[in-house]
Amino acid sequence: GEDVEQSLFLSVREGDSSVINCTYTDSSSTYLYWYKQEPGAGLQLLTYIFSNMDMKQDQRLTVLLNKKDKHLSLRIADTQTGDSAIYFCAEKPGGYNKLIFGAGTRLAVHP
Amino acid sequence: DADVTQTPRNRITKTGKRIMLECSQTKGHDRMYWYRQDPGLGLRLIYYSFDVKDINKGEISDGYSVSRQAQAKFSLSLESAIPNQTALYFCATSASDTDTQYFGPGTRLTVL
Repeated sequence: GEDVEQSLFLSVREGDSSVINCTYTDSSSTYLYWYKQEPGAGLQLLTYIFSNMDMKQDQRLTVLLNKKDKHLSLRIADTQTGDSAIYFCAEKPGGYNKLIFGAGTRLAVHP
Repeated sequence: DADVTQTPRNRITKTGKRIMLECSQTKGHDRMYWYRQDPGLGLRLIYYSFDVKDINKGEISDGYSVSRQAQAKFSLSLESAIPNQTALYFCATSASDTDTQYFGPGTRLTVL
């Protein structure tokens, strides 16, 4: 079956790097996504990675994909208080016209 | 202006009432989706539509219905609301070529 798992909470100090991890079960997934949800807001697409890539970097964000282990991570460099939010991992299984979301990881950034 | 809008943003209603949530988009996307979000459960797909004549059930469609009135509009109805439908509801859209989804700001629904 399809399942996406994330740890529910991560706390980091301002200026440190944050690493949010995600595991998924469908090896046929074509795209994997990271979304950010700030309080009272909808989900904002942060970045995505195609399944034939193993890394994607976009400014402070680095996405790593290990297809063998079905593991996706999001690294945020120099984490700021404005990065405090819930981060959702999502997969798009091959042949499916929908996304499967994890439960979200709440990132708390403290001084 | 926001590309995906939802109305209302907040709604409190009573058990048994009929409720309609509206979604509009200006992105020109073919595909539209309705999700609900509950704490600790992430997002679960209720219904989705790939064009005006296409309606598909998601994983939790019981108790809900939808209408795709036009390419830009997709509404979600609760025919007889019940308290366990209290949740945050999100509309999303995607283009058929990329399937990357873009979300509205959400509607917070409380059923008493």
